[in-house]
Amino acid sequence: KAGVTQTPRYLIKTRGQQVTLSCSPISGHRSVSWYQQTPGQGLQFLFEYFSETQRNKGNFPGRFSGRQFSNSRSEMNVSTLELGDSALYLCASSLAEGRPTNTIYFGEGSWLTVV
Amino acid sequence: DAKTTQPNSMESNEEEPVHLPCNHSTISGTDYIHWYRQLPSQGPEYVIHGLTSNVNNRMASLAIAEDRKSSTLILHRATLRDAAVYYCILRDTQTGANNLFFGTGTRLTVIP
Repeated sequence: KAGVTQTPRYLIKTRGQQVTLSCSPISGHRSVSWYQQTPGQGLQFLFEYFSETQRNKGNFPGRFSGRQFSNSRSEMNVSTLELGDSALYLCASSLAEGRPTNTIYFGEGSWLTVV
Repeated sequence: DAKTTQPNSMESNEEEPVHLPCNHSTISGTDYIHWYRQLPSQGPEYVIHGLTSNVNNRMASLAIAEDRKSSTLILHRATLRDAAVYYCILRDTQTGANNLFFGTGTRLTVIP
C-alpha cells in the first residue's frame, strides 16, 4: 500500500512569491494534516482537514492556507513568502477523524527554501 | 495541550537495550501516550501507544507508570537504524483532533 506522497520534494522560491504544496494521503484515509518543521521551532501543526472541511488550525498567519479535495488529496499554499518560511513541510494522513488511537502516517515532506 | 518533558539526547551502544523516559505530570485520564520517531531526512513514524497498561509491539515496548505521570519507551536491542529523534506525545480524546503536539524530543545516538 502506497504511503503518503508529497510533491514537490524540493523547491526554491523567492521572497514575495507564493507556493503550493501537494499531498496524496494513503488510500482510504480521509484526514490530512500539515506540519511545518524548522530548526528553531521544531515540528508545528498547521491545519487539519477531514472530508474537505478544515477541522483544526494551528497558530500561523493567514498567509498559510490549505484545502482538501473530494478524493482526500490536499494542497497547502503559502502566499507572500518570507525567508522564515524556509522549512520542511510535512503532510500526514489518518484513517478517521480524531480518535486518539488512530495511527498518523507522515510523508517524507517538501523542503522549501525561500531566498 | 498537555505537555511532555524528555531529555534532549541519549546515547546507546549497538545491540544494547535503550530506555527513553518521558514525564507527563499533567496528563489527564483520557490522554493516550504516543511515541513517534523521526529518522534523519524523513517524516515522523509511529512507534507505539498506550493508555494505562504496558504495551509491546514489534518495534518497542511502552512501560507506563501506575500514576501515568511518566512513561518509558524501551528498545530492546538498539540498532544503527534506531538513531532518530523520539517524541513522546499525549493525544486527547476530548478534542477529536488529529493534530499532534511535538515537543523537542530525545535525540538517540547509537554507537557501533
